[in-house]
Amino acid sequence: GESVGLHLPTLSVQEGDNSIINCAYSNSASDYFIWYKQESGKGPQFIIDIRSNMDKRQGQRVTVLLNKTVKHLSLQIAATQPGDSAVYFCAENSKTSGSRLTFGEGTQLTVNP
Amino acid sequence: NAGVTQTPKFQVLKTGQSMTLQCAQDMNHNSMYWYRQDPGMGLRLIYYSASEGTTDKGEVPNGYNVSRLNKREFSLRLESAAPSQTSVYFCASRTDSNYGYTFGSGTRLTVV
Repeated sequence: GESVGLHLPTLSVQEGDNSIINCAYSNSASDYFIWYKQESGKGPQFIIDIRSNMDKRQGQRVTVLLNKTVKHLSLQIAATQPGDSAVYFCAENSKTSGSRLTFGEGTQLTVNP
Repeated sequence: NAGVTQTPKFQVLKTGQSMTLQCAQDMNHNSMYWYRQDPGMGLRLIYYSASEGTTDKGEVPNGYNVSRLNKREFSLRLESAAPSQTSVYFCASRTDSNYGYTFGSGTRLTVV
């Protein structure tokens, strides 16, 4: 029989543009947040993390912004390249969830040359 | 340093067959996890082990069992495979709650 999967949110950008991927979380007790990148056929890879005592953290071409007031996390990718095409997941950790991360649904980023 | 190693990478089972997915990490991590990922969906936690000697159910444990054999190894067993268990399975590990997971490359399982 047929299987029907959910469709991931998608973001399509032109090569060289900046990309912004958003994530909302619901647990006000969350104190640690991570962004993962998952390329087709591979496992998720760590990109960048941020702790709740910060509101911004920068890496190489990536910046994570945390707004605890509205429980919102974003990942900014500068000068997006075709190799950035992947699914991006946010994840959060809170003391109430013990050692488990809670993952968002993911966003499919497509970079057009 | 291999990180998290999963075997096999691909497997086809007939309905009712059993198999064990193997996972090993060489980073001396305390916690290990098994997730499944279905097309267009996020990661769903099957079972996890917060430390050697302990295991706990996650979001979708039915039809699965796990064994934390030692600190390095955490296996996932399907006793009687069903088509609904067709999925990609990821193992992950973590040192403690101040850090993220390291994932394996996945096992793609098809049950026919």
